[in-house]
Amino acid sequence: AQTVTQSQPEMSVQEAETVTLSCTYDTSESDYYLFWYKQPPSRQMILVIRQEAYKQQNATENRFSVNFQKAAKSFSLKISDSQLGDAAMYFCAYRRRDLIFGKGTKLSVKP
Amino acid sequence: SQTIHQWPATLVQPVGSPLSLECTVEGTSNPNLYWYRQAAGRGLQLLFYSVGIGQISSEVPQNLSASRPQDRQFILSSKKLLLSDSGFYLCAWSSPQDSPEKLFFGSGTQLSVL
Repeated sequence: AQTVTQSQPEMSVQEAETVTLSCTYDTSESDYYLFWYKQPPSRQMILVIRQEAYKQQNATENRFSVNFQKAAKSFSLKISDSQLGDAAMYFCAYRRRDLIFGKGTKLSVKP
Repeated sequence: SQTIHQWPATLVQPVGSPLSLECTVEGTSNPNLYWYRQAAGRGLQLLFYSVGIGQISSEVPQNLSASRPQDRQFILSSKKLLLSDSGFYLCAWSSPQDSPEKLFFGSGTQLSVL
């Protein structure tokens, strides 16, 4: 069975600095998709970035980028130039058929 | 543009009472629809998903059920709530034409069963 592990329950970053959130997953599949979702205090889930496993190039979305290491089954999220509005729960997710989420990392941004 | 509506935002129900949470999507047709539950301090757990009217797949056996009476309407129900049903419930939709499918979530319902 597929699993998604986020080993950092909480992280903190200074405003304008860079932070990396870790995610590992376990699968025997070769074709799948990976996502990072953000859940601010409003509780709504917002898609941050997605990565197709067949693509070697790491996905980027403005200040958000990923480091996708397929052999290591690692999918970390880097947030550059952190802003106060980035404070939220971040969930890593794996999708082959269903979307499987990790338990999340709570990110705090210090002014 | 597409929007997803979910209500109510909060709900407090006694044990043994019925439940009905509603979700509707606007601006798209034949979406895939999902119900997720997020227990406190945990990730999201898929409860049900639907690829069409009347087509419901259950991922977790429990006392909850789902129905899709209309193309863009998805309802989560229970005849008798349990304490363990407390949690944050999120409805989501995706387009079958999108590859890979991106899920768009509603604003959620916080359910407290007392």
